[in-house]
Amino acid sequence: NAGVTQTPKFQVLKTGQSMTLQCAQDMNHNSMYWYRQDPGMGLRLIYYSASEGTTDKGEVPNGYNVSRLNKREFSLRLESAAPSQTSVYFCASSEALAGGTDTQYFGPGTRLTVL
Amino acid sequence: QKEVEQNSGPLSVPEGAIASLNCTYSDRGSQSFFWYRQYSGKSPELIMFIYSNGDKEDGRFTAQLNKASQYVSLLIRDSQPSDSATYLCARPRKTGNQFYFGTGTSLTVIP
Repeated sequence: NAGVTQTPKFQVLKTGQSMTLQCAQDMNHNSMYWYRQDPGMGLRLIYYSASEGTTDKGEVPNGYNVSRLNKREFSLRLESAAPSQTSVYFCASSEALAGGTDTQYFGPGTRLTVL
Repeated sequence: QKEVEQNSGPLSVPEGAIASLNCTYSDRGSQSFFWYRQYSGKSPELIMFIYSNGDKEDGRFTAQLNKASQYVSLLIRDSQPSDSATYLCARPRKTGNQFYFGTGTSLTVIP
């Protein structure tokens, strides 16, 4: 049981390049999330998927697209990277606890630098 | 006012002391709260959650929720150097499977 996995762990891009961050979970969770974490800003939600086949914008979706490929996989794409997208990206998934309260489990993160 | 606010610290305590981390929130209807620990360069990991007024204990950790005063605390008893990390407070949003996260409090336990 690997939990939530992310690839790659590190990436350096030049401005204007594109890339896709991959995320997979083996916990049979319905919901998956993409966050970015910047110093002093905390975790900010980029996109989330409440269930297979659905995606919704979070707080900071501009410049990103997502795909919920199946129940296990949720990818984040940067079409044209900008230096402002330099950040640490975390994927997470959630289950519903008793009473309907969710908790989230995070992947190890991808450290992205855009030059 | 932010949905979830934390003092960024840093908070320093000597080994063996009690570390007290606080989080305030703006929505009086909030029902549940989560505490995550994040070591430097690592991902957040859940420590505990609380969804009723009062205290909840788990080993050296105690979460306290005071809905009337709109704050939630995390107490770490017998603090150890391995507790040195950033602690994030979070609560679910009412709609959708989303969360509000605080910016985190940095804790250093001095041997």
